[in-house]
Amino acid sequence: EAEVAQSPRYKITEKSQAVAFWCDPISGHATLYWYRQILGQGPELLVQFQDESVVDDSQLPKDRFSAERLKGVDSTLKIQPAELGDSAMYLCASSLTTGGQNNEQFFGPGTRLTVL
Amino acid sequence: GQQVMQIPQYQHVQEGEDFTTYCNSSTTLSNIQWYKQRPGGHPVFLIQLVKSGEVKKQKRLTFQFGEAKKNSSLHITATQTTDVGTYFCAGPSGSARQLTFGSGTQLTVLP
Repeated sequence: EAEVAQSPRYKITEKSQAVAFWCDPISGHATLYWYRQILGQGPELLVQFQDESVVDDSQLPKDRFSAERLKGVDSTLKIQPAELGDSAMYLCASSLTTGGQNNEQFFGPGTRLTVL
Repeated sequence: GQQVMQIPQYQHVQEGEDFTTYCNSSTTLSNIQWYKQRPGGHPVFLIQLVKSGEVKKQKRLTFQFGEAKKNSSLHITATQTTDVGTYFCAGPSGSARQLTFGSGTQLTVLP
């Protein structure tokens, strides 16, 4: 069964350092999402791509976070510089579409980030 | 912006007891989705409800969408230890149909 791949699974860094996360969605899924999940809370959308275009990044802290999906397939999320409050699980998800049928989201295993 | 609230935040039940979690949106939803996240795992899609008053069943799970399409519920009959996890509802909003997740209900089933 096709799955969303993410790496690394765990990342420990010191504050002010740069970190990058990678996501490979399910083949053929046009929509890709990056979420941040703090323990005990629901996933919070950071950025949503439709193919290679950003369609929503209203909750992305753009002074330190950036995301790209250059060829409309895999994606990277970068944080520079990392802050203590960035410690969380970063989840990537993909879906065939965003509306109507076939918009269920498939999540990857996530990257657990710890900032010291 | 849209807010999605879930209650209760935590629920402990004895195995075999029933469980219900409730989801309320601050705005009318075109549809609502439910996800389950096992401890240490990632959210997994359970179901999507679209129609006002819709009821769908998956074995021991019953999902309901309110008549006004602003609330939903998930009911589990005769819980089992495999039902342990956090259940999230999520509703779309905005031009990009981005999902807003509720805070989840964490279910613990005591054997």
